[in-house]
Amino acid sequence: DIQLTQSPPSLSASIGDRVTITCRASQTVYNFLNWYQQKPGKAPKLLIFAASRLQSGVPSRFSGSGSGTDFTLTISNLQPEDFATYYCQQGYSNLYTFGRGTNLKI
Amino acid sequence: EVQLVETGGGLIQPGGSLRLSCAASGFSVSSNYMSWVRQAPGKGLEWVSVLNSGGHTYYADSVKGRFTISRDTSKNTLFLQMNSLRADDTAVYFCARGHYYDRTPMGGFDSWGQGTLVTVSS
Repeated sequence: DIQLTQSPPSLSASIGDRVTITCRASQTVYNFLNWYQQKPGKAPKLLIFAASRLQSGVPSRFSGSGSGTDFTLTISNLQPEDFATYYCQQGYSNLYTFGRGTNLKI
Repeated sequence: EVQLVETGGGLIQPGGSLRLSCAASGFSVSSNYMSWVRQAPGKGLEWVSVLNSGGHTYYADSVKGRFTISRDTSKNTLFLQMNSLRADDTAVYFCARGHYYDRTPMGGFDSWGQGTLVTVSS
């Protein structure tokens, strides 16, 4: 199975900051890498697909980059509603896997 | 509007069985790949199983041989039959619709249900 190592596990930031979360795959997933945001008690929300494509309706302050095994999610100009947990997920293998998440806190 | 509604969760004793349902509206479950994803209390997301449009199924090692994913196209509903349940199967179970871009499956999930809680305990 493809393992995803996400870092950092938690991150403290302030309104207006720029933050970066990384996700490393144990083998290449090409660009089949997705990012989700989850708030407490809610279902995950797809933010970025194909490593760098913004899902419809997602603010442009979210961006993704990378290919192969190394990926990043960047959030610019943090807003109050961005404080949540973020997960990467690979869709290259039929045995999908998620990273362990990054808790973004104020 | 796309909607997914999971039902069937509850309290079940170790070794027992439970069947989860995910009623879909606004699209056809048979035309999309569909997954179950779970989240243990206070933990991260864990992918459980996928059923693709061609009818092929795949499972996480943690549930293989115990769980079965299926669909009923007449009811537009996805199922997860869970047997030999263990305490570590306790989680909120989400069903999720596969994400396509330009008709190409992208390996992610763009619509999710609200989840149903399964608690395995004596």
